Amino acid sequence: DIQMTQSPSSLSASLGDSVTINCRASQSISTHLHWYQQSPGKAPRLLIQSVSNLQNGVPSRFSGSGSGTEFTLTISDLQPEDFATYYCQQSYTTPMYSFGQGTRLEI
Amino acid sequence: QVQLQESGPGVVRPSETLSLTCTVSGASISVHYWNWIRQSPEKGLESIGFISYDGSTKYNPSLKSRVTISVDRSKNQLSLRMTSVTAADTAVYYCARGGLVIDDAFDVWGQGTMVTVSS
Repeated sequence: DIQMTQSPSSLSASLGDSVTINCRASQSISTHLHWYQQSPGKAPRLLIQSVSNLQNGVPSRFSGSGSGTEFTLTISDLQPEDFATYYCQQSYTTPMYSFGQGTRLEI
Repeated sequence: QVQLQESGPGVVRPSETLSLTCTVSGASISVHYWNWIRQSPEKGLESIGFISYDGSTKYNPSLKSRVTISVDRSKNQLSLRMTSVTAADTAVYYCARGGLVIDDAFDVWGQGTMVTVSS
């Protein structure tokens, strides 16, 4: 099984800041890496598909990079609605689509 | 606009069978991959399995012996059946749409339904 490890587990930031969330896979997953945002009581929302492809409607302050085993999600100019939990997910091994444990972004 | 809505009992007794339905609107279940995912504080987000547009299924090996995913094309619904549940199956259960290919992300999610396994 591929293990996905996110760091940090939690992160404090202020409005207008830029933050980076890291995701490491236990083996190479090429570019089969996606990022989700989850607000309390809500379902996850797809932000970025295949490392760096922004979903329609997602602000351009979100960006992703990486390949192989190391990936990053960067959020610039933090807005109030960005304070949520972020998850990475690999789709390299089906049907074992494993997720990271989450990074909680808080003010 | 594609929408998914899960439904089912909120409480299931231990050793019994959990049955959930996901009603899809705005899209045909005969296109895309359709997934069940659950979330608990203990295990985080966990993929349960999927059914493809052609009806083939794949399951998480750790759950495979207890899980069945099926579709009702006349109602545009997918279903999850999980047998012999235990407290470890207590979670929020989501249905989610996958892409047109097997390794696409989950681009549309239902709101989720909380299932508690308790006597």
